[in-house]
Amino acid sequence: RKEVEQDPGPFNVPEGATVAFNCTYSNSASQSFFWYRQDCRKEPKLLMSVYSSGNEDGRFTAQLNRASQYISLLIRDSKLSDSATYLCVVNRDSSASKIIFGSGTRLSIRP
Amino acid sequence: EPEVTQTPSHQVTQMGQEVILRCVPISNHLYFYWYRQILGQKVEFLVSFYNNEISEKSEIFDDQFSVERPDGSNFTLKIRSTKLEDSAMYFCASSPGQGSSTDTQYFGPGTRLTVL
Repeated sequence: RKEVEQDPGPFNVPEGATVAFNCTYSNSASQSFFWYRQDCRKEPKLLMSVYSSGNEDGRFTAQLNRASQYISLLIRDSKLSDSATYLCVVNRDSSASKIIFGSGTRLSIRP
Repeated sequence: EPEVTQTPSHQVTQMGQEVILRCVPISNHLYFYWYRQILGQKVEFLVSFYNNEISEKSEIFDDQFSVERPDGSNFTLKIRSTKLEDSAMYFCASSPGQGSSTDTQYFGPGTRLTVL
């Protein structure tokens, strides 16, 4: 089983739609979780950290389910500019060095 | 807003040649990292660096790779004898804290390495 697994997509949704991605991780000792976005041929950029209680930042909501070992990202009222690859990132343990990237989920928003 | 910078943006080299990829992390950050991303694949951790020494490295980071912080601002990745399979985007990152699990890493724009 992969350490961090994501549905590669692509998800193709109309502008204004709500879209959700899940990510599963294999190591139950994982400490912290992040969503990054990556535009084509660009660097990953932090979208949001994911906290145990769940957190929201504008149109974006992240949830963590430790029991089932998955995290989710919900995007409401999607914009054309949300088109990107969304990377699930997991810290394997308390060291920031050991972060593992998922392969990413491609999202394409159509007008 | 401070950002991580990398040079060059694109490096083309012949197989067997040495390359040095350069990064200027965000000043006052303490942890530095190199990652690579082969085209179409996921981002892979190579190495982390703290207090002038390697703190962690992956199995990819073999003897042909080395890192250095030659002065107070630059952080370099050297590949001694490049192979075709080293062709990838190389990202530098830095983080402000001391490598805790909640420490956010900020990525540079990357250097695209093409080995011919």
